[in-house]
Amino acid sequence: NAGVTQTPKFQVLKTGQSMTLQCAQDMNHNSMYWYRQDPGMGLRLIYYSASEGTTDKGEVPNGYNVSRLNKREFSLRLESAAPSQTSVYFCASGDSRNSPLHFGNGTRLTVT
Amino acid sequence: EDKVVQSPLSLVVHEGDTVTLNCSYEVTNFRSLLWYKQEKKAPTFLFMLTSSGIEKKSGRLSSILDKKELFSILNITATQTGDSAVYLCAVDPPGGGADGLTFGKGTHLIIQP
Repeated sequence: NAGVTQTPKFQVLKTGQSMTLQCAQDMNHNSMYWYRQDPGMGLRLIYYSASEGTTDKGEVPNGYNVSRLNKREFSLRLESAAPSQTSVYFCASGDSRNSPLHFGNGTRLTVT
Repeated sequence: EDKVVQSPLSLVVHEGDTVTLNCSYEVTNFRSLLWYKQEKKAPTFLFMLTSSGIEKKSGRLSSILDKKELFSILNITATQTGDSAVYLCAVDPPGGGADGLTFGKGTHLIIQP
């Protein structure tokens, strides 16, 4: 019963490097989300995908791109990492407006 | 401007105490208000509230929503050290799409033995 799986768990990047955070869910959910969590800021929505083939910007999309590869997978890409992107990134999935989101265990990213 | 405001931001109590965590919001006509508990890793779901005045309970935890006054509270009775966590309040805003939850900054609760 894996739920939402994120990889990697930890990553250190140098400024300007690129990387892709992976997320997969096995609950057959239509909607998937990427959030970032910073101290004192709560969880902020970066991008979301309401269904396979669609993506939309959230509150803080600048510096990120996403791909909804199929119904199970939703990846987040940093093309040119910046220290301001140091954060913990959470992927989540959900099925309907009447059910809660399920979160992965997060990716802790440090950009030096 | 924050749409979901939680208070207090941090709280330290002793084991056995009762605590009340607050969540106020500016979003009107939302579909639901949710509470999550976050320990080291992923936020885990506690309650979803959609109707005003109806209390949801799970063991020592309970929550209620007041849609008229735009707030919700989360109560924990007979607290235990395992209740130490960040408690997150989130609102599902209006709109037709699955456009994500709006979270407050959380209340960091510490239960001392």
